[in-house]
Amino acid sequence: KAGVTQTPRYLIKTRGQQVTLSCSPISGHRSVSWYQQTPGQGLQFLFEYFSETQRNKGNFPGRFSGRQFSNSRSEMNVSTLELGDSALYLCASSLGATSSSYNEQFFGPGTRLTVL
Amino acid sequence: ELKVEQNPLFLSMQEGKNYTIYCNYSTTSDRLYWYRQDPGKSLESLFVLLSNGAVKQEGRLMASLDTKARLSTLHITAAVHDLSATYFCAVGGTASKLTFGTGTRLQVTL
Repeated sequence: KAGVTQTPRYLIKTRGQQVTLSCSPISGHRSVSWYQQTPGQGLQFLFEYFSETQRNKGNFPGRFSGRQFSNSRSEMNVSTLELGDSALYLCASSLGATSSSYNEQFFGPGTRLTVL
Repeated sequence: ELKVEQNPLFLSMQEGKNYTIYCNYSTTSDRLYWYRQDPGKSLESLFVLLSNGAVKQEGRLMASLDTKARLSTLHITAAVHDLSATYFCAVGGTASKLTFGTGTRLQVTL
């Protein structure tokens, strides 16, 4: 079974630009979550999409947005990039069960975004 | 707001020694995850702990969960260099949201 894939793997942008990152979940998984990892703030939850709807959201400004398509693939968009947006962006997929008993997430390789 | 604290932040240990990483969290949860991350790489799932008293072992790593104390531990037995990595605990919240600890950078030296 193929794992979670993310494209592109590396990206360099300049301040003020916008960027779109893509994540393809494991086949059969309906939930995609996005995380930002920086040396200063660690791993922080951005948002989660399930069945094309945002189900959960972290504490990030509105410049960070996402969407999910009917095939469960997800995109994340960051507008008006700032230097502090430089980070490793990880997506994770899971079956997305609402029960809290088990919801293991599998992470993709990440997209490393550098903002100059 | 759920807070997850991990300690130590950095751990340098000799091969063959034992040590424990601690993960404390602030609110009730019945899902605790441990991940490993190698430099520049993604997160690799190590353990999923779902109930009070759960203990799981894989090779030289053993994880346990005490939901009453809101504490999970990752015990390393007879460390080897291949275990050098950063280890994260994460607590499950609403739906798929995970709140991560700060990470423990483990360096195993000869």
